[in-house]
Amino acid sequence: DQQVKQNSPSLSVQEGRISILNCDYTNSMFDYFLWYKKYPAEGPTFLISISSIKDKNEDGRFTVFLNKSAKHLSLHIVPSQPGDSAVYFCAASEDAGGTSYGKLTFGQGTILTVHP
Amino acid sequence: DAGVIQSPRHEVTEMGQEVTLRCKPISGHDYLFWYRQTMMRGLELLIYFNNNVPIDDSGMPEDRFSAKMPNASFSTLKIQPSEPRDSAVYFCASSPGASGFTDTQYFGPGTRLTVL
Repeated sequence: DQQVKQNSPSLSVQEGRISILNCDYTNSMFDYFLWYKKYPAEGPTFLISISSIKDKNEDGRFTVFLNKSAKHLSLHIVPSQPGDSAVYFCAASEDAGGTSYGKLTFGQGTILTVHP
Repeated sequence: DAGVIQSPRHEVTEMGQEVTLRCKPISGHDYLFWYRQTMMRGLELLIYFNNNVPIDDSGMPEDRFSAKMPNASFSTLKIQPSEPRDSAVYFCASSPGASGFTDTQYFGPGTRLTVL
């Protein structure tokens, strides 16, 4: 069962506009959420993260919003640029306790295309 | 640092053959992860190691899959015998482990496996 879901396989946006990528999760134990970005023929790279104690985290043009009651997070990119065209993965982890390491559970990814 | 190195970048093999994928993590990183990416399920964690010891292999799909980490700078993922449904992109990632479950994972470029 997919614990992290990205229901939109693709998103197309005009340059300069806002891109909103969505992610839903089912595991209430998830404490930490991340977005990774992936270009073709490359591995995913970390973009931005948010802890469950916050509802918003901002880094330049990228903002992640977390709604714990709805088990939903979103990534906003403003303004969108053609170089943002990539696959975006949402991921989540839980604190396994003590020195245990939390695994990352990824969604299926959303292909973002930003048109000039 | 050169980042996470994976080889080969592409592998084409026939059903029933043994396939070995290789990974060199970032020096000094204590954690190593193997992921598989498919269109349907996105990025799935197969197995991860801490200080060369396998910690969680619950994501390994079948006994046909095995992974080893003989030392801190090398890991292999082996599929024997391979099947067409194993066709996917396999990623290796590493992380320092210093921040626990909020650590950033650094991904290699992936190996695209095609089993005919």
